[in-house]
Amino acid sequence: DTQMTQSPSSLSASVGDRVTITCRTSQGINNYLAWYEQKPGKVPRLLIYSASALQSGVPPRFSGSGSGTDFTLTISSLQPEDAAIYYCQKYNSVPRTFGPGTKVEIK
Amino acid sequence: QLQLQESGPGLVRPSETLSLTCTVSGDSISSSSYYWGWIRQPPGKGLEWIGAVFHSGDTQYNPSLKSRVTISVDRSKNQFSLKLTSVTAADTAVYFCARENVAGLDYWGQGTLVTVSS
Repeated sequence: DTQMTQSPSSLSASVGDRVTITCRTSQGINNYLAWYEQKPGKVPRLLIYSASALQSGVPPRFSGSGSGTDFTLTISSLQPEDAAIYYCQKYNSVPRTFGPGTKVEIK
Repeated sequence: QLQLQESGPGLVRPSETLSLTCTVSGDSISSSSYYWGWIRQPPGKGLEWIGAVFHSGDTQYNPSLKSRVTISVDRSKNQFSLKLTSVTAADTAVYFCARENVAGLDYWGQGTLVTVSS
C-alpha cells in the first residue's frame, strides 16, 4: 500500500499568516489527491481535488499544488474559522488512504 | 440538494456484526456515475476509508478490512449498506457515508457513532 505522511502534525499561527501543509506519498499518484478540512465535532469538507482544483464554495485563500509524490495545501491568509484538522487523501487506487492529519490552531 | 443519512445500532457486542445503512436523498443512486462509500473515524483519531459500491453492485474494499466487510446497494430504496463482521473494541468509531466522485468525497452524511462493547 501507498503510505501517506503529512507535516507538520500540528501548527499554531496568527490570523493573517500564510500557512503551508505538506502531504507526501510513498508512491507516485499523479494528481489524484484531495484535501479536506474537519472542524471539531463536524463532518469533513472537501476543499481541493485533483491536487489543485478548488471545490465549489471554498474560499480562494485555500490553494493546492503538487504532483507525483509531493503536495501542499496553502492558506494564504489564515482566518479564525480555519482552526481545524486538515487531511490529504489519495484516490488513484484502492485503498483510498487518508494522511494522518495536520492540526491548525490560531494563536 | 444531495443529502446522506446514516442509520443503525449505536451499540454492537464484540464478535457480532455491525450493520449500517446510508439513505440518499436528492439524487438517485441508480442514475448517477458515482461510487458510494464508507469512512470511519475512531474517537480522537484520523479517517480510514473502508470501501465503496457502485450502483451496479461493483465494490472496492480496503484490503485491511476486506475479509470482514460487505458493502451493498439497494437501488429500490436509494440506500447502500455496510456490514462489518467479528467486531472488536478497535472498530468503535464514527462511521460516515459519503459520495465518491472522480474528485474525492464531495458529500458526507453526519456520521453515526458505533460503540463495540459488551
